[in-house]
Amino acid sequence: SQQGEEDPQALSIQEGENATMNCSYKTSINNLQWYRQNSGRGLVHLILIRSNEREKHSGRLRVTLDTSKKSSSLLITASRAADTASYFCATVSFTGNQFYFGTGTSLTVIP
Amino acid sequence: EAGVVQSPRYKIIEKKQPVAFWCNPISGHNTLYWYLQNLGQGPELLIRYENEEAVDDSQLPKDRFSAERLKGVDSTLKIQPAELGDSAVYLCASSSFLDGHTQYFGPGTRLTVL
Repeated sequence: SQQGEEDPQALSIQEGENATMNCSYKTSINNLQWYRQNSGRGLVHLILIRSNEREKHSGRLRVTLDTSKKSSSLLITASRAADTASYFCATVSFTGNQFYFGTGTSLTVIP
Repeated sequence: EAGVVQSPRYKIIEKKQPVAFWCNPISGHNTLYWYLQNLGQGPELLIRYENEEAVDDSQLPKDRFSAERLKGVDSTLKIQPAELGDSAVYLCASSSFLDGHTQYFGPGTRLTVL
């Protein structure tokens, strides 16, 4: 079963706009990770945020984590057509032996 | 450094036939995962290995699915016999505890069962 749920399921924006997607999860975690998947390809790791962190940046990516609400958000700034993909959050348990993916957000960036 | 390698990339078989997938993880990664991904869904874990030991196979349909990771490196996932509902993408990933179990994925094998 999948622990995480992304919201929205699908998002369509114009190039240059910001894209925000959210992830909610159910149990306590060690860290939360975001992945991107282009159509027909494997998943690519984007960023990891630990349970004791609240915000993390990497290039045009900004991730927040609120462990009290069991939620995370991924912000992609100044979106590009190449950002078109599905985005998944994944949670890792404290022992590192449980790894759950969410249901994904399908992002379309219109040139 | 090479990433996770999977083969074949595509496989089309008729129902009731056997099929096998192969995965070579990133060198030095002790943890190896097999996932099933249906269209429009996130990956769902089938089995996780720590070295050669299967430590989580609770979601593996053991009546028809089997997996092995001999010598704790390469792994194979087998389905016998395949059913129509097994059509999906089978992903292999590997990770190391040294970077928080960040998973590195192979390109996947797209299985079509006719």
